[in-house]
Amino acid sequence: QQKVQQSPESLIVPEGGMASLNCTSSDRNVDYFWWYRQHSGKSPKMLMSIFSNGEKEEGRFTVHLNKASLHTSLHIRDSQPSDSALYLCAARVNTGNYKYVFGAGTRLKVIA
Amino acid sequence: EAAVTQSPRNKVTVTGGNVTLSCRQTNSHNYMYWYRQDTGHGLRLIHYSYGAGNLQIGDVPDGYKATRTTQEDFFLLLELASPSQTSLYFCASRENSNERLFFGHGTKLSVL
Repeated sequence: QQKVQQSPESLIVPEGGMASLNCTSSDRNVDYFWWYRQHSGKSPKMLMSIFSNGEKEEGRFTVHLNKASLHTSLHIRDSQPSDSALYLCAARVNTGNYKYVFGAGTRLKVIA
Repeated sequence: EAAVTQSPRNKVTVTGGNVTLSCRQTNSHNYMYWYRQDTGHGLRLIHYSYGAGNLQIGDVPDGYKATRTTQEDFFLLLELASPSQTSLYFCASRENSNERLFFGHGTKLSVL
């Protein structure tokens, strides 16, 4: 079973709309989260990180984190066709050595 | 931006064949990772290392060996390749300060 679960699997939003993506872990050794974006045919690139409870905003992107429930969410406002990509949630599993596990991803499509 | 170079970009082999995937980073990062990416599974961690001579087992290690010969070079070895190992393989190095992962362009492996 994957340690990191993402929902929804896919999402279609109109240009200018809001996209909301979710990520949860069931592993109590998880302590930090990142969001990566992967455009088709490319490698993943880090979009945002969040390490403490609360909210973090960078431009059109906002992430939330609830450490008690190990839940993070990514919100993209004013979505653009260029935001169409696979969004991957990554979590750090802290068991002495740091390993980073990923969810299966949410495929976002923004239609004009 | 940090650079991670993978080779080859594409590889085709037959069942039972011997394959070595190479990864080099010149970012002075300590940690390096090998992942495989398959539709519906996201990125799954195969092996990782925090320095030359070190090897840590990931979440899907069966059928794979790895070796970290220097801080820069990390190799993934498939000694008896099977069709189930057909996948897109990514190598990543981890930035020492904020733990961001930098990915190579990937190696597409087909085992016939």
